[in-house]
Amino acid sequence: SQTIHQWPATLVQPVGSPLSLECTVEGTSNPNLYWYRQAAGRGLQLLFYSVGIGQISSEVPQNLSASRPQDRQFILSSKKLLLSDSGFYLCAGEARLNTEAFFGQGTRLTVV
Amino acid sequence: AQTVTQSQPEMSVQEAETVTLSCTYDTSENNYYLFWYKQPPSRQMILVIRQEAYKQQNATENRFSVNFQKAAKSFSLKISDSQLGDTAMYFCAFIPDSNYQLIWGAGTKLIIKP
Repeated sequence: SQTIHQWPATLVQPVGSPLSLECTVEGTSNPNLYWYRQAAGRGLQLLFYSVGIGQISSEVPQNLSASRPQDRQFILSSKKLLLSDSGFYLCAGEARLNTEAFFGQGTRLTVV
Repeated sequence: AQTVTQSQPEMSVQEAETVTLSCTYDTSENNYYLFWYKQPPSRQMILVIRQEAYKQQNATENRFSVNFQKAAKSFSLKISDSQLGDTAMYFCAFIPDSNYQLIWGAGTKLIIKP
């Protein structure tokens, strides 16, 4: 079965500091990968999705960027965090063969 | 644009009652997949049930069943004999066959009261 390892689970960062959240995939090759943000009490907002190495589509203009250096690695980054970047970030994947999505544990980011 | 709409931000029912969560979607695609995901307070996402658009028979998974109306583009989730552990956010999601991009509804917060 497909799994996603996402870390860290919680993170507190000062305003202006850089960010790097990473997720890695096991159990499938060439998955579609997604980064979502969930603000408190709200639904999932798609930030980035990737259909392959080096291929990133951005859904929402913002202070964040994403990269996919390897087939099973997806990284969410920021050069300088803003207070508004606080939230719950979820990495998701989707195996092309069965279209079922699978999720990481999520990262709760607090920018102070 | 392809969208998923969950019109009920929050619902609350008594334990053992039956509850139905609504989901409608908009697409011009003919082939796609529909999902209901549960997100408990732990924030983990758990697949509840999935439906292929080409299948007319409604999917069922234990106490969970769907009412899939393709012409109406409706995909409601029915939870029978609700349990306290069903308390969670429920997300309806859609994957079109053409680009496999996940599209999510805003979610419905379901509270099961003892």
